[in-house]
Amino acid sequence: DTGVSQNPRHKITKRGQNVTFRCDPISEHNRLYWYRQTLGQGPEFLTYFQNEAQLEKSRLLSDRFSAERPKGSFSTLEIQRTEQGDSAMYLCASSLVRSSYEQYFGPGTRLTVT
Amino acid sequence: KNEVEQSPQNLTAQEGEFITINCSYSVGISALHWLQQHPGGGIVSLFMLSSGKKKHGRLIATINIQEKHSSLHITASHPRDSAVYICAVKEGGSEKLVFGKGTKLTVNP
Repeated sequence: DTGVSQNPRHKITKRGQNVTFRCDPISEHNRLYWYRQTLGQGPEFLTYFQNEAQLEKSRLLSDRFSAERPKGSFSTLEIQRTEQGDSAMYLCASSLVRSSYEQYFGPGTRLTVT
Repeated sequence: KNEVEQSPQNLTAQEGEFITINCSYSVGISALHWLQQHPGGGIVSLFMLSSGKKKHGRLIATINIQEKHSSLHITASHPRDSAVYICAVKEGGSEKLVFGKGTKLTVNP
């Protein structure tokens, strides 16, 4: 399968715990995006990388959230001290710079904070 | 007011009906996407438009840049078209997509 993959697909955690999600983009894609989607809403932009550089961050990305793409391939999104309001679907997408308008989405990681 | 507004929020149709979903936006854009999301979360890109009209099978997407409006049409709708359809715009000067809330389409046999 050469699409965007995300792991885990589901995560249940207790409030206050840290969680980390992983996204593996399509192999030659140099742009990688993170979005968050809550129930009944459209996705919201969190951040994006071009290669290993994080180029844009939303104000939604509080200091409890950190994202990395250390070698310009896979990316991780970590949430520290989770809160119930963090419960959402976390979506990753990737694209090529030369056709950055076309983003390919992964299946998402559904986070439930209890 | 959201930057991207979709209508209707929910739409129920009978198999074979012609479907139209509308999207209006308030910001300057470089591109507009129509996306399909099935239960379980997976998102599939249907169209990316910057002008005019595109057609793929039974799906047609149009955009009017001057009026800041786009429509997604489905001809001869089928129950497998049941999904949430999301409009998203790429703001000029930014790489981020701004999404509408989606339109939930149910096509009954």
